[in-house]
Amino acid sequence: NAGVTQTPKFQVLKTGQSMTLQCAQDMNHNSMYWYRQDPGMGLRLIYYSASEGTTDKGEVPNGYNVSRLNKREFSLRLESAAPSQTSVYFCASSEWGSGNTDTQYFGPGTRLTVL
Amino acid sequence: GQQLNQSPQSMFIQEGEDVSMNCTSSSIFNTWLWYKQDPGEGPVLLIALYKAGELTSNGRLTAQFGITRKDSFLNISASIPSDVGIYFCAGQNPGTYKYIFGTGTRLKVLA
Repeated sequence: NAGVTQTPKFQVLKTGQSMTLQCAQDMNHNSMYWYRQDPGMGLRLIYYSASEGTTDKGEVPNGYNVSRLNKREFSLRLESAAPSQTSVYFCASSEWGSGNTDTQYFGPGTRLTVL
Repeated sequence: GQQLNQSPQSMFIQEGEDVSMNCTSSSIFNTWLWYKQDPGEGPVLLIALYKAGELTSNGRLTAQFGITRKDSFLNISASIPSDVGIYFCAGQNPGTYKYIFGTGTRLKVLA
């Protein structure tokens, strides 16, 4: 049981290049999330997917697209990377437990630098 | 947008001391989560709270869901060097799947 996995762990891009960050969870969770973490800013929600087949914008969606490929996988795509997208990206998943409770678990992160 | 204030931003404490940190929101939440993040790692869930007034412990950690549903507290008793890290609170609005995160409390423990 690996929990939430992310690839790659590190990536360096040039301005204008594109790339896709991969995320997978093996906990059979319905909801998945992408966050970015910048120094002093905490975690900010980019996009989320409440369930398979649905995606919604979070707080900072500009410059990103997402795909909920199936229940396990949720990818984040940068079509034309910009230096402002230099950050640490975290994927998370959650499931409503018994009694209407929810808990969110995080992957190890992808450290992205855009030159 | 919704504000989630976490304090203190950072603190130095002596090993063995108790630590307290809190988060306050401008609106009510129905779930509070507390995480710890070590350098280069993802946040790890420490405690989850689901009811106003709820008090939950996990070893030396104790967290409470404020009765107004707009705040939460995390206490660490008898701190040890491995408690070093950044602690985040996160709140979930009623009826949504989204979480709002605090900006973190950076804890440094002096042996």
